[in-house]
Amino acid sequence: RKEVEQDPGPFNVPEGATVAFNCTYSNSASQSFFWYRQDCRKEPKLLMSVYSSGNEDGRFTAQLNRASQYISLLIRDSKLSDSATYLCVVNLSGGSYIPTFGRGTSLIVHP
Amino acid sequence: EAQVTQNPRYLITVTGKKLTVTCSQNMNHEYMSWYRQDPGLGLRQIYYSMNVEVTDKGDVPEGYKVSRKEKRNFPLILESPSPNQTSLYFCASSLSPLVAGGGDTQYFGPGTRLTVL
Repeated sequence: RKEVEQDPGPFNVPEGATVAFNCTYSNSASQSFFWYRQDCRKEPKLLMSVYSSGNEDGRFTAQLNRASQYISLLIRDSKLSDSATYLCVVNLSGGSYIPTFGRGTSLIVHP
Repeated sequence: EAQVTQNPRYLITVTGKKLTVTCSQNMNHEYMSWYRQDPGLGLRQIYYSMNVEVTDKGDVPEGYKVSRKEKRNFPLILESPSPNQTSLYFCASSLSPLVAGGGDTQYFGPGTRLTVL
């Protein structure tokens, strides 16, 4: 079983839609969680860190559910420019310096 | 401008011909790492470095070497490349490692697309 799992999609949504992605992780000792965005053939860029209390940045909201071991990303009022692959990143506790990346969820926002 | 640079951006080579991909960051970051990204497999860490002269294996270190003689540079060396090392490679840096309870942004370089024939 892969440590970090994401639905690869693609999620096809119209502009203005609300879309949500989940990312499940298998190791309950995981401590740090992030969402990165990657455009085609480009480098990943941090979208947001995910905190226990949840956090919001404009149209983007990230949540962490430790009991069920998943994190989520909600995008409201989707824009064409939101089309990208969204990578979930999880890091373990106990001095692990090797972050685990999900394979990514592809989002396509169409007019 | 804060950035991570990689060179070359594209490289086609042949099996067995040693090559080096350079990585440099200008943010005085302590932590640097190398990843490869393959279709359907996502990003996998090859090696990482906590600081000068401190390096360690990631998930997929076989066939690669690294060095960290200076804080800003972290070259990736393929002593004898093979076709299964054809991939998209990213270098990344952060102020500190993604340790428990913390988490610094990782800044990625633009990527190096390597093809080994």
